[in-house]
Amino acid sequence: SQKIEQNSEALNIQEGKTATLTCNYTNYSPAYLQWYRQDPGRGPVFLLLIRENEKEKRKERLKVTFDTTLKQSLFHITASQPADSATYLCALDVGFQKLVFGTGTRLLVSP
Amino acid sequence: GAGVSQTPSNKVTEKGKYVELRCDPISGHTALYWYRQSLGQGPEFLIYFQGTGAADDSGLPNDRFFAVRPEGSVSTLKIQRTERGDSAMYLCASSLASADTQYFGPGTRLTVL
Repeated sequence: SQKIEQNSEALNIQEGKTATLTCNYTNYSPAYLQWYRQDPGRGPVFLLLIRENEKEKRKERLKVTFDTTLKQSLFHITASQPADSATYLCALDVGFQKLVFGTGTRLLVSP
Repeated sequence: GAGVSQTPSNKVTEKGKYVELRCDPISGHTALYWYRQSLGQGPEFLIYFQGTGAADDSGLPNDRFFAVRPEGSVSTLKIQRTERGDSAMYLCASSLASADTQYFGPGTRLTVL
């Protein structure tokens, strides 16, 4: 069956450290993968998109990798700040403009 | 510029009632999506419009759910005979026709008592 897995447990890190979140998937062959940030009671906010032919993408303190062989994406936030505390969702393209989302990983950055 | 807006932000209704949820996409975005998100879960696809027509409604859970976009801009998600299990956050997103990035609204929190 098709699955997208993100760590269901919250990730707690200290301010200034690098946060690494994982997205694994099975039985999908996405042309691209996206990461979104979601704060409680709010809609998801787009962060980064990475295509199947791209290994890595960066935007300011954010970095995403995409390994289509391992069927895994890693999302990194360097020099993390308490304001980075939120839930981070990965979403896979499954064709025809359709996205399938993971359950999200909650990140808590302590001062 | 203005983002995606959704009204109402909260809706409380009784089991069996009819509800309408409205979405105003970003101006110029021809693609519009509805998602449903339960607590602790990711958004779940419901329906996708390209212009006025529903290009993919495979995510609608049953025939109590219906959505329209008559002029290719504003969309309304309609739920008939609501059930307690319909309680969730309903999210709308829009995108440019040929772009991949979807921009989400703040959502409507629906509670069915």
